[in-house]
Amino acid sequence: GIQVEQSPPDLILQEGANSTLRCNFSDSVNNLQWFHQNPWGQLINLFYIPSGTKQNGRLSATTVATERYSLLYISSSQTTDSGVYFCAVERGGGSNYKLTFGKGTLLTVNP
Amino acid sequence: KAGVTQTPRYLIKTRGQQVTLSCSPISGHRSVSWYQQTPGQGLQFLFEYFSETQRNKGNFPGRFSGRQFSNSRSEMNVSTLELGDSALYLCASSLVGPFGEQYFGPGTRLTVT
Repeated sequence: GIQVEQSPPDLILQEGANSTLRCNFSDSVNNLQWFHQNPWGQLINLFYIPSGTKQNGRLSATTVATERYSLLYISSSQTTDSGVYFCAVERGGGSNYKLTFGKGTLLTVNP
Repeated sequence: KAGVTQTPRYLIKTRGQQVTLSCSPISGHRSVSWYQQTPGQGLQFLFEYFSETQRNKGNFPGRFSGRQFSNSRSEMNVSTLELGDSALYLCASSLVGPFGEQYFGPGTRLTVT
């Protein structure tokens, strides 16, 4: 099956710093999503981004499907940004769609 | 608009028992997907339901099953529980799916002893 690799696995920042998280995938995909899981386990959809660039406040994401990677940018980080960031790729067709998650990047933002 | 709700939030079961988890999607969402999250395997897709039909399935044994009702509420059942089934079970809903922009519930934490 498709491989989804995220880097770095862990990241520690001071409040106010910027960061870039990367997601590489091994095959063509229908779509790609970024999620944030807060320390209480709640998963929040950040971006639904098969290609191109999207921005939402301090967060933005870019997917280059032809080169099989996506980047998540976090600017002016805040302590509430702490948690695990997952990318997930969607593949398939008909009745054989699958969503495969990477192992995540654990982000800690210190005050 | 109310979010995705899951019940119960926490559950402790004994090996060999069975368990049923419930998920109520956001009003108007017809696709419900289920996921298992463990420290070792990470987040894994279980199955997806749309209009009361299982439309897509991950790579889990037949002990894991589900169903969806006419109001889009979904249940997931695990029979003959094993210790390795201890996990956070998450459901997510989207307007049409199969995945789309998904909204997750808070999860059910299942512990098998």
